[in-house]
Amino acid sequence: GAGVSQSPSNKVTEKGKDVELRCDPISGHTALYWYRQSLGQGLEFLIYFQGNSAPDKSGLPSDRFSAERTGGSVSTLTIQRTQQEDSAVYLCASSLALAGPRGGNTQYFGPGTRLTVL
Amino acid sequence: TQLLEQSPQFLSIQEGENLTVYCNSSSVFSSLQWYRQEPGEGPVLLVTVVTGGEVKKLKRLTFQFGDARKDSSLHITAAQPGDTGLYLCAGVNAGGTSYGKLTFGQGTILTVHP
Repeated sequence: GAGVSQSPSNKVTEKGKDVELRCDPISGHTALYWYRQSLGQGLEFLIYFQGNSAPDKSGLPSDRFSAERTGGSVSTLTIQRTQQEDSAVYLCASSLALAGPRGGNTQYFGPGTRLTVL
Repeated sequence: TQLLEQSPQFLSIQEGENLTVYCNSSSVFSSLQWYRQEPGEGPVLLVTVVTGGEVKKLKRLTFQFGDARKDSSLHITAAQPGDTGLYLCAGVNAGGTSYGKLTFGQGTILTVHP
């Protein structure tokens, strides 16, 4: 079946512009996660959704970052007034249900969107 | 803030050698996961260890969870060029508003030369 897809795969923008990144989770997955990864580094948690609600927004780096999910499916991550330090790969993952403490409900990752802010 | 320290950051070895990657924290995690990531792709889950002291084997890969559930290791026997990639450990949080959130280590870039 289809995996998690993200678009665009690459985005180059100028400092100060707004960008919108899209994530299409695996059909039927109720939980959706956004992460940010700098070159060759680990992943930084940004936000997760359970259905359409986001109980934990504490990982968003600043108020320039926002995310929404509608219809329990597609999610968009919006970065306003982009800065050069926003340059990174933004990864989306989905799982059948919220990941449990014993690691249940595997998170499946998309290929990411590489954002470059000039 | 929970942190996971992963070491080494870079590892360059010859085919056939053995290696170990370490993941350490001062915090206790409910479980710990190991991922492998190739360029241009997202991480793929290799294993989840849940019980303190647990050892899991996946072909030439051996994963161990520390007794106190604060640290873990990944050991690869007789590494092959196909093992090349970024290896990430991730701690699974127990509950509260962090429920479901993964805390990742910085990653280990492994290169296995033929």
